Amino acid sequence: DTGVSQNPRHKITKRGQNVTFRCDPISEHNRLYWYRQTLGQGPEFLTYFQNEAQLEKSRLLSDRFSAERPKGSFSTLEIQRTEQGDSAMYLCASTVLAGGYEQYFGPGTRLTVT
Amino acid sequence: SQQGEEDPQALSIQEGENATMNCSYKTSINNLQWYRQNSGRGLVHLILIRSNEREKHSGRLRVTLDTSKKSSSLLITASRAADTASYFCATDARDSGYALNFGKGTSLLVTP
Repeated sequence: DTGVSQNPRHKITKRGQNVTFRCDPISEHNRLYWYRQTLGQGPEFLTYFQNEAQLEKSRLLSDRFSAERPKGSFSTLEIQRTEQGDSAMYLCASTVLAGGYEQYFGPGTRLTVT
Repeated sequence: SQQGEEDPQALSIQEGENATMNCSYKTSINNLQWYRQNSGRGLVHLILIRSNEREKHSGRLRVTLDTSKKSSSLLITASRAADTASYFCATDARDSGYALNFGKGTSLLVTP
């Protein structure tokens, strides 16, 4: 257990529905990252926050995706109008920049879009 | 697109043997990190090597970095069945906010 938690762990939804995932980072970590991982691939970067500010978004993050980190604590990732191609493991990681840049990953949320 | 490419894609060895995995990357980096992932426990950080370092050790792990060749290797000595997992190298850079750029991974199977 790295100290980063994600909920739910699994989500099955029908195409066209909206879903929201939550990530609770290690409390003193100021940076929070979201990644997506599909079967047989390494994780791919989606977006990151420095405290409550969203500083960068990958081109993978289409307009249907939105992420927030209110008050610089937990973060949410919402996918609107889900598509089958959104099926993946969504991973959250946190770090303290002054601490050496290693990231601590949560267990992930596995999304299946039917 | 993914920056790193691990080699081999899959590796099968017996307990007690050493396992070597290689990683190549394309752009300038600040750090290169290795992570392990198995189905039950998610991604776990193993070791980080900075761009100005050439070699680093941590327990049974040895990492090398050759920035001129844009490559790194991970050596696991005296492997154990519990080392069975997928291993990923990941690079980061200040310009991209130290977001990790992962390869596709090496799947390691250690048999008793």
